[in-house]
Amino acid sequence: EVQLVESGGGLVQPGGSLRLSCAASGFTFSTYTMNWVRQAPGKGPEWLAYISGNSNTKFFADSVRGRCSVSRDNAEQSLSLQMDGLRVEDTAVYFCARGPPGMVVANWFDLWGQGVQVTVSS
Amino acid sequence: SYELTQPPSVSVSPGQTARIACSGDALPKQYAHWYQQKPGQAPVLVIYKDSERPSGIPDRFSGSNSGTRVTLTINGVQADDEADYYCQSADSSGISWVFGGGTKLTVL
Repeated sequence: EVQLVESGGGLVQPGGSLRLSCAASGFTFSTYTMNWVRQAPGKGPEWLAYISGNSNTKFFADSVRGRCSVSRDNAEQSLSLQMDGLRVEDTAVYFCARGPPGMVVANWFDLWGQGVQVTVSS
Repeated sequence: SYELTQPPSVSVSPGQTARIACSGDALPKQYAHWYQQKPGQAPVLVIYKDSERPSGIPDRFSGSNSGTRVTLTINGVQADDEADYYCQSADSSGISWVFGGGTKLTVL
């Protein structure tokens, strides 16, 4: 089955760190670009990070640039997001989402995980 | 920062046509994509590259682009189409992607 499954969410204190993981299955992971997208309660989705299939190209949203890193392990078919300096406003459901294959010309998200809750609170 | 603007809500009766608009300055040069999201679920891609339909999406769903405005059209609206719909595109750099604020489609 083609799917993405996130893990690693939870409750974090402000200023803390979190590492989210996404396990991919059912497709040739290495050929696809991947993204992280989050959705705060009652809000629309917000794109956070992009990584190319070979990890050579990465892009970040202004809201997380400098606090966030993204990586992938194609052999393990996994994607990771490391976030530091967490703030209350980072509270959201975090999704990994598959982008198109190949080089980025346009980016859309055709496969999403179920999402994982991250709550930043003291 | 770049923004995509959508109406907060659209209401239609079953069997009618729903049109959801999305406006943004970079849309003449950037593709738009559309997602359907039901409560407690992840978004589902319904239109990509302005007007392409992923496999498994009914042909009742279509998209169009007319300059700074793109439109998602749902013909023969069904009760199951009731959901939030989001447009998504890139800013003028092409490497930063944003979503619209979302439109709640209510089927009367």
